[in-house]
Amino acid sequence: AQSVTQPDIHITVSEGASLELRCNYSYGATPYLFWYVQSPGQGLQLLLKYFSGDTLVQGIKGFEAEFKRSQSSFNLRKPSVHWSDAAEYFCAVSGYSSASKIIFGSGTRLSIRP
Amino acid sequence: DGGITQSPKYLFRKEGQNVTLSCEQNLNHDAMYWYRQDPGQGLRLIYYSQIVNDFQKGDIAEGYSVSREKKESFPLTVTSAQKNPTAFYLCASSMEGGTEAFFGQGTRLTVV
Repeated sequence: AQSVTQPDIHITVSEGASLELRCNYSYGATPYLFWYVQSPGQGLQLLLKYFSGDTLVQGIKGFEAEFKRSQSSFNLRKPSVHWSDAAEYFCAVSGYSSASKIIFGSGTRLSIRP
Repeated sequence: DGGITQSPKYLFRKEGQNVTLSCEQNLNHDAMYWYRQDPGQGLRLIYYSQIVNDFQKGDIAEGYSVSREKKESFPLTVTSAQKNPTAFYLCASSMEGGTEAFFGQGTRLTVV
């Protein structure tokens, strides 16, 4: 069965510190992988995506993620967080078929310590 | 501007009433989705549609219904059979099933 696990419900980091949000997925075929960000009461915005090719992908707002097939992981990183990065972050997986649906993890809430 | 429009942003209904949430997109996307969001549970898929006049149940379809009569529109009806309908509902669309989804701003439904 397809699933996404985000093991950290809530993370607090200091402004300027580095960040890594964890994501593990279960999918029977080659996956599409995504990271989205959500501000309170808003919709989701795509940060970055992985379809194929280079396993290190760059996204918006200085975020990057690395696809590790052997670990079924797609962790999100940022070298230096800003107060405006405080939000909820969702990892998602889907497949290459046009019949695929997009499955989301339960999210990680990021708080920034001044 | 291209995008996805959900309306209304806030909706209040009495228990036992059906209510329909609107979702319209002008991105010319084939696939559309409805998700329900509850605190601590992420996004759970209610229904999705990959083409006009066709849709599939997601993980939590009980108590909900949809239609896809036009490519641009994918309304969601929350019926009285839904036991706990108070939630934040998000609509999304993608060029085709499985590719990156674009989201609306959501509708917060409160049933009293």
